Amino acid sequence: QVQLQESGPGLVKPSQTLSLTCTVSGGSIGSGGYYWTWIRQHPGKGLEWIGHIYYSGSTYYNPSLESRLTISADTSKNQFSLKLSSVTAADTAVYYCARVRVAPSDYFDYWGQGTMVTVSS
Amino acid sequence: DIQMTQSPSSLSASVGDSVTITCRASQSIANYLNWYQQKPGKAPRLLIYTASILQSGVPSRFSGSGSGTDFTLTISSLQPEDYATYYCQQSYSTPARTFGQGTKVEIK
Repeated sequence: QVQLQESGPGLVKPSQTLSLTCTVSGGSIGSGGYYWTWIRQHPGKGLEWIGHIYYSGSTYYNPSLESRLTISADTSKNQFSLKLSSVTAADTAVYYCARVRVAPSDYFDYWGQGTMVTVSS
Repeated sequence: DIQMTQSPSSLSASVGDSVTITCRASQSIANYLNWYQQKPGKAPRLLIYTASILQSGVPSRFSGSGSGTDFTLTISSLQPEDYATYYCQQSYSTPARTFGQGTKVEIK
């Protein structure tokens, strides 16, 4: 059974960088067939895809966040990470990591429990 | 970007009712459509992928249909544990993935 667990600070100051890590167990992020993704949910709102990384290291970002976003992976630790720079209150949200099963059509089949990040001074 | 619009935004139904939620894409997405269920304080859970394929472990009262731009999620006999918010999501446009705004199913 694949499990994902987000970790990172729950409070970030405006203009700073939000950094989160997702630790995966029960499956290797270094094997093909899956993307590893970040999704967020603003309080009381819907779901927003942030971006994902493939085992090869290829990354794909939401255009609305691309200029501030970096997603990376550490296959030795079976972790992938999110860095979002220059945050504002609009980045306050629950952040989820998830696995995307690829091909022929992809879908998010395993999710972490989510971690709340508040941007505030 | 492909926009996904769900209707209704919320509905009230009783245990045992049949419930249908609609999702419309702003352009054709073939059958690249997934459905998720989210309960308060929890992560979303995959219910149906590729428009009509039931994810393993999901009760058979859930079903999905549609192709092109119009899709439906049906719960054939609503159970107490089905009260939740449901989201559709398209996987046609790469790499961007977009979700519908959600449909909240409440107890009548």
